[in-house]
Amino acid sequence: QQQVKQSPQSLIVQKGGISIINCAYENTAFDYFPWYQQFPGKGPALLIAIRPDVSEKKEGRFTISFNKSAKQFSLHIMDSQPGDSATYFCAATVGNTGKLIFGQGTTLQVKP
Amino acid sequence: GAGVSQTPSNKVTEKGKYVELRCDPISGHTALYWYRQSLGQGPEFLIYFQGTGAADDSGLPNDRFFAVRPEGSVSTLKIQRTERGDSAVYLCASSLAGRGYEQYFGPGTRLTVT
Repeated sequence: QQQVKQSPQSLIVQKGGISIINCAYENTAFDYFPWYQQFPGKGPALLIAIRPDVSEKKEGRFTISFNKSAKQFSLHIMDSQPGDSATYFCAATVGNTGKLIFGQGTTLQVKP
Repeated sequence: GAGVSQTPSNKVTEKGKYVELRCDPISGHTALYWYRQSLGQGPEFLIYFQGTGAADDSGLPNDRFFAVRPEGSVSTLKIQRTERGDSAVYLCASSLAGRGYEQYFGPGTRLTVT
């Protein structure tokens, strides 16, 4: 019940296309859902985050869609660029500590 | 300003040895987290500090793992009697005050146990 399931495992998109990564969870106590971007040899960097009282959040080319009833959320990257090629992790927090439960990751490759 | 820093960036040790991994959080951040990331996986929570105290150590895999944060700033993750299965990237993150605040990650320490 503490898991966050992420799909797909890998994704190839043409430059200018839309990249979509999906996550699902079971624990309704999760109350904060961030997405992290990680480049090889680097630590994860916070990209965008959403709380369950909001159905959508947009920051630049990045949008989170959140479906509380389905317990699913997704990341949309519009106008994908080769520089977006990285591994993306969804996550959720639970409890009073704010510790993050991460999905398994999606490796995105944007072809020029 | 300076981000989270971790030293060393790489550590190779022999099975059975003791290792210490250091994390310097962002100045003023009271919350500090350690995570472990195995190849091809998402980070897994190990321990959370609020100030000097370990508020949640439920992710530590066994009693060979221990972490301290004696002055509420720098933290050290200590692993005794290392095993090959301990090989991973150990990530540190800090946040302003824990729950509800953004976590900023360091670059990690890649630990290899031979």
